[in-house]
Amino acid sequence: QSALTQPPSASGSPGQSVAISCTGTSSDVGGYNYVSWYQQHPGKAPKLIIYEVTKRPSGVPDRFSGSKSGNTASLTVSGLQSEDEADYYCSSYVGSTDFYVFGTGTKVTVL
Amino acid sequence: EVQLVESGGGLVQPGGSLRLSCAGSGFTFSTYWMYWVRQAPGQGLVWVSRIRGDGITISYADSVKGRFTISRDNARNTLYLQMNNLRAEDTALYYCARVGVGVSAVDIWGQGTMVTVSS
Repeated sequence: QSALTQPPSASGSPGQSVAISCTGTSSDVGGYNYVSWYQQHPGKAPKLIIYEVTKRPSGVPDRFSGSKSGNTASLTVSGLQSEDEADYYCSSYVGSTDFYVFGTGTKVTVL
Repeated sequence: EVQLVESGGGLVQPGGSLRLSCAGSGFTFSTYWMYWVRQAPGQGLVWVSRIRGDGITISYADSVKGRFTISRDNARNTLYLQMNNLRAEDTALYYCARVGVGVSAVDIWGQGTMVTVSS
């Protein structure tokens, strides 16, 4: 199972918005609403920020939002803050393997 | 406090074996799907294996099938990963992770244990 495709990097100034795409196939992203997003700061374990495409765990700011269209899911971070500078990974359930796959990861830089 | 603590990592020669452990606390361990996720130095996250709460349903990434075995001891609140015939490409930080009930995603991560395969 190949990794889902994410852009290697994205950036924005404080207060701006940045969107990260996560492209898969109809066998994963497009076929199921089990897309999640994780934030990882250097040297730290990942942190769940979006699950089931659009849902936010308690404690995650509403600046983070998720969506999906066809085989591509997206994470939008609005009102960028310095602490949002991190690596972001998407993940999706894969029906054909009954397992999961991560995206390639996107490094977000706050300018 | 809900917590996962991994142990058992280290340096091993190619072809060798290692068993990782993950101790869970602060939650009813037996009711949760548990996962192993790894991250090679400077690289992305990769799902390795998962096991249902009762230990009956198990899945593996193709890259580890036939070499790694996931198991759990619910009486000890502990998850295991037996890794055999290790290769250089298995070198990574191995995270233990819990999938939340009604969340369908990992809500709790351990701090990771490093496995280095090298001669």
